[in-house]
Parts: sequence; C-alpha cells; structure tokens
Amino acid sequence: AQKITQTQPGMFVQEKEAVTLDCTYDTSDPSYGLFWYKQPSSGEMIFLIYQGSYDQQNATEGRYSLNFQKARKSANLVISASQLGDSAMYFCAMREGKRGNNDMRFGAGTRLTVKP
Amino acid sequence: ETGVTQTPRHLVMGMTNKKSLKCEQHLGHNAMYWYKQSAKKPLELMFVYNFKEQTENNSVPSRFSPECPNSSHLFLHLHTLQPEDSALYLCASSQEVLRRMNTEAFFGQGTRLTVV
Repeated sequence: AQKITQTQPGMFVQEKEAVTLDCTYDTSDPSYGLFWYKQPSSGEMIFLIYQGSYDQQNATEGRYSLNFQKARKSANLVISASQLGDSAMYFCAMREGKRGNNDMRFGAGTRLTVKP
Repeated sequence: ETGVTQTPRHLVMGMTNKKSLKCEQHLGHNAMYWYKQSAKKPLELMFVYNFKEQTENNSVPSRFSPECPNSSHLFLHLHTLQPEDSALYLCASSQEVLRRMNTEAFFGQGTRLTVV
C-alpha cells in the first residue's frame, strides 16, 4: 500500500512567490522521519529538509520549511521566494522505525515550474 | 560533485546482454541502496546493504543481481532484461545508526537504462 501521497502532479509558481507542495503519509509507527528531496533534470536527488515525528517544532532550512501537522499526517514543503532554479521534481519520503532505518519510501513526486 | 558516483550515466542494452551498473561513494557511509525510478511511478527501493550485508530485497526479479564487495562500492548486474526494465537506476548511501530516523540518503546522478 502506498504510504506516501503527493496529490499534485504539477505546480506552477511565479518567481519570488511562495509555494506549498503537499505530502500526506500513513503509518502506525510512532517513530518515523519525513524527508523532502529535489530532483533536477540532471537526475540526482538532493536532500532538502528533515522532520522527525517527535520534533516539537517545524523544520526550516533556508528558504525551505516544513509544515508538519502530525494529527493530519501531513508534511507539506513550503518554498519561499521561489527562484528559477527551483524548477524540478520534488519528492516526499518517509522512514519508519519499526521497519528499521534502511527503508526510505518515496511519494510519486510533484513537478514544480517557476515562471519568470 | 555529490560524493556518490554512478557509471555509466547512460546504457542501452539488448535483452540478451549482460551488463553491470557501478556505484561508488566517497562519504564513508556504511549503507548503500539501489532504487529504480520508472516514468510516472514512485521511486522503488530494490536492495539495501548495511556493512556489505544485504538487509533488504524488495521482491526484485533475479535478472537483477546486486553485489557489494565493500562499503564503498555497489554493483547491479543485469542479464536478460525486459523492455519494461528501462528506467533510471539510482544509487544512494547513508550513515546508518541503529534506529536513528534522521540519516538522509545521498544519491548519485543515476544510470539511464534503455532495454531494446
């Protein structure tokens, strides 16, 4: 069963504006970690931000922040002040504690296009 | 330079060929992974190696054969593949600490495989 759901196949945003990419997840494990990756056209996956299930505060990394709503099981990525170089595929991923810490599962991804 | 290098970047092979994909990481990590990324499908975890020992095989067909001679190198041996095996194959590595959730994976740029 799909554990990570990204409902937006594609998103457009105007340069310098903020954009939110949605991610919902499903797990019964109280211990888990959530990750966001960026995949430009070159193919490599670039780690952006991490949120732990026990973290009290939403994670932030520069222009990236994670809107973590544990009760709703959502972990949306917010990119502020979008830049043309932000155009890429974005993947949400989860690692569950009960399955061990090697099994990172990914969502289907969202293609973000930043318009000048 | 991501620290994880995959060769070749592109590979075209016939269904009767035997080829190998290579991955090398220069990050001192102890876990390595193979993922398959097909069009319009989420990343699929194929194999996981921890300290050179295979810890996960996600029901991958036997025409894919992994090899991990040391913690820095990972191979994926391919033989008698099918056209539906055409995909981007991504290698990743991470520094695994037991039950720590926040160890992100570092990815290579992938090998674009086309089976004809």
